[in-house]
Amino acid sequence: GAGVSQSPRYKVAKRGQDVALRCDPISGHVSLFWYQQALGQGPEFLTYFQNEAQLDKSGLPSDRFFAERPEGSVSTLKIQRTQQEDSAVYLCASSSLLGLAGSDTQYFGPGTRLTVL
Amino acid sequence: AQRVTQPEKLLSVFKGAPVELKCNYSYSGSPELFWYVQYSRQRLQLLLRHISRESIKGFTADLNKGETSFHLKKPFAQEEDSAMYYCALSPQGGSEKLVFGKGTKLTVNP
Repeated sequence: GAGVSQSPRYKVAKRGQDVALRCDPISGHVSLFWYQQALGQGPEFLTYFQNEAQLDKSGLPSDRFFAERPEGSVSTLKIQRTQQEDSAVYLCASSSLLGLAGSDTQYFGPGTRLTVL
Repeated sequence: AQRVTQPEKLLSVFKGAPVELKCNYSYSGSPELFWYVQYSRQRLQLLLRHISRESIKGFTADLNKGETSFHLKKPFAQEEDSAMYYCALSPQGGSEKLVFGKGTKLTVNP
């Protein structure tokens, strides 16, 4: 079956614009994660959903970042009033476990490369 | 604080030579440790995890709780092993978020 997909793959935004990044997880996967990967760094956790519930948003860097997963499937990461420091690759991952004790494999999408000019 | 340290940004070896990618972690509980790999123009994918104790593509990694290390090893490197390798930990229970190191770029020369 299809893996995790993300769109768009590339996004160029002018500083101050709002952007929306989409993630389609593997069908039936309960858990969904967003990560931010700056150039030369490892991915950094942003937020986590279990079905439609956002259980952890501790990694969101500011209130300009907002994520939702209204029907427990597709998720959107929205960044308002983009800044140059928001330039990064945004990765989405999904897994099938409910986030209880132990961890299941996270399957990553190809990422969206955001460049803010 | 949860932290993963990969001291080598770049590692270059010749084909057939042994390779070891270092990973140290800092966490007060009992985390789960992973190695993820990203080949050129491909997405990030799981290579191995410590609880499964598997050998994948000839790679192994042993969790050393005393030294808080999870080094990745392979006795004979192959050119197709050239990739970016990330060590990651998942805190015990609750959210399964992954905490990644900065990664090591492995180049295996012919």
